[in-house]
Amino acid sequence: EAGVTQSPTHLIKTRGQQATLRCSPISGHTSVYWYQQALGLGLQFLLWYDEGEERNRGNFPPRFSGRQFPNYSSELNVNALELEDSALYLCASSLGQGMAYEQYFGPGTRLTVT
Amino acid sequence: GDSVTQMEGPVTLSEEAFLTINCTYTATGYPSLFWYVQYPGEGLQLLLKATKADDKGSNKGFEATYRKETTSFHLEKGSVQVSDSAVYFCALQKTSYDKVIFGPGTSLSVIP
Repeated sequence: EAGVTQSPTHLIKTRGQQATLRCSPISGHTSVYWYQQALGLGLQFLLWYDEGEERNRGNFPPRFSGRQFPNYSSELNVNALELEDSALYLCASSLGQGMAYEQYFGPGTRLTVT
Repeated sequence: GDSVTQMEGPVTLSEEAFLTINCTYTATGYPSLFWYVQYPGEGLQLLLKATKADDKGSNKGFEATYRKETTSFHLEKGSVQVSDSAVYFCALQKTSYDKVIFGPGTSLSVIP
């Protein structure tokens, strides 16, 4: 069974540009989560989608947005990129909502903003 | 607000040494507690979890006990291997609709 996949593996952008990151969950999983892993800041929760709806959002500005498609894949968009947005962005998926369902993580997209 | 604190790393141990990685949390109510592991070049994997006080989670020789009185969930392993070298994250989740809150991670290096 294929795991969570993310693309691209690496992304280099300049300040002010927009970045789009993509995530394909494990087949059958309906929940998708996005996290930012910045150096020295640990893992910060960004967004949670389930059945196409945004269920929860972390403490990030509105220029971080996303969506979940009917096939449960997801996109994270970051507008007006800032240098501090440089980080590893991790996507995770689960069978359903909540603590009973283990989150499976993808390998991440490394975003570098110059 | 809710938070998770872990011991500072990096931790370096010799093979077969005893491992303890301390984790304490601040949260109201009765959160579920987790340990995740991130091996070099890979995504995070759930290592173990505990959903109520005095529960013990265990997997791959690792154990952690949910201690409500000390708000702790320390990770232990009796004999570490080189293959255990990774970053370990302690985390909590309060309810099914809450986000998972991660600690900063503790890097472990096991040398032969």
